[in-house]
Amino acid sequence: SQQGEEDPQALSIQEGENATMNCSYKTSINNLQWYRQNSGRGLVHLILIRSNEREKHSGRLRVTLDTSKKSSSLLITASRAADTASYFCATDKDFGNEKLTFGTGTRLTIIP
Amino acid sequence: IAGITQAPTSQILAAGRRMTLRCTQDMRHNAMYWYRQDLGLGLRLIHYSNTAGTTGKGEVPDGYSVSRANTDDFPLTLASAVPSQTSVYFCASSEGSGAYVLTFGAGSRLTVL
Repeated sequence: SQQGEEDPQALSIQEGENATMNCSYKTSINNLQWYRQNSGRGLVHLILIRSNEREKHSGRLRVTLDTSKKSSSLLITASRAADTASYFCATDKDFGNEKLTFGTGTRLTIIP
Repeated sequence: IAGITQAPTSQILAAGRRMTLRCTQDMRHNAMYWYRQDLGLGLRLIHYSNTAGTTGKGEVPDGYSVSRANTDDFPLTLASAVPSQTSVYFCASSEGSGAYVLTFGAGSRLTVL
């Protein structure tokens, strides 16, 4: 079963606009991560946010975490065509550190 | 360039055949993982290894086996392939079992007919 579920499943926006993706999870976590996957490629780590953090920034990326709602959001500002990819959230589980569980992903398309 | 090398990139094989997907990393990471990616299901963990000489089962281990004879190599074997094992397989690694940031390989696309 999936620990994280992304919403929406697919998102299309115009270049230059902001893109927001959401992730909900079921159990308590130590940290939550976001990964990007370009078509036909492996996943690439974007950002990690710990359970005691509420917001984190990395370049044009902004991640928020609300542990009371068991949810996180990824905001990409000033989107570019190169941001077209699938985005996945991943969580550990509070009882073990062997498993990083991924959601089903959001497919983001940036329209030039 | 440091990273993970997976082979083969793509393979078609008949049901019932044995297949080994190879994974090699040159980052001296302690932990390694195998995930399968299926449309609509995201990535699911098959097996993992926290350090050389140890392995563990993930969410979907049935039909697969792994070994970790050394730090760099983590092969995944399908003893008798079935069509439901048609998928894209990703190998990943992390510095330690407590360090969760994963580095992924480019994937191996497997089709079982």
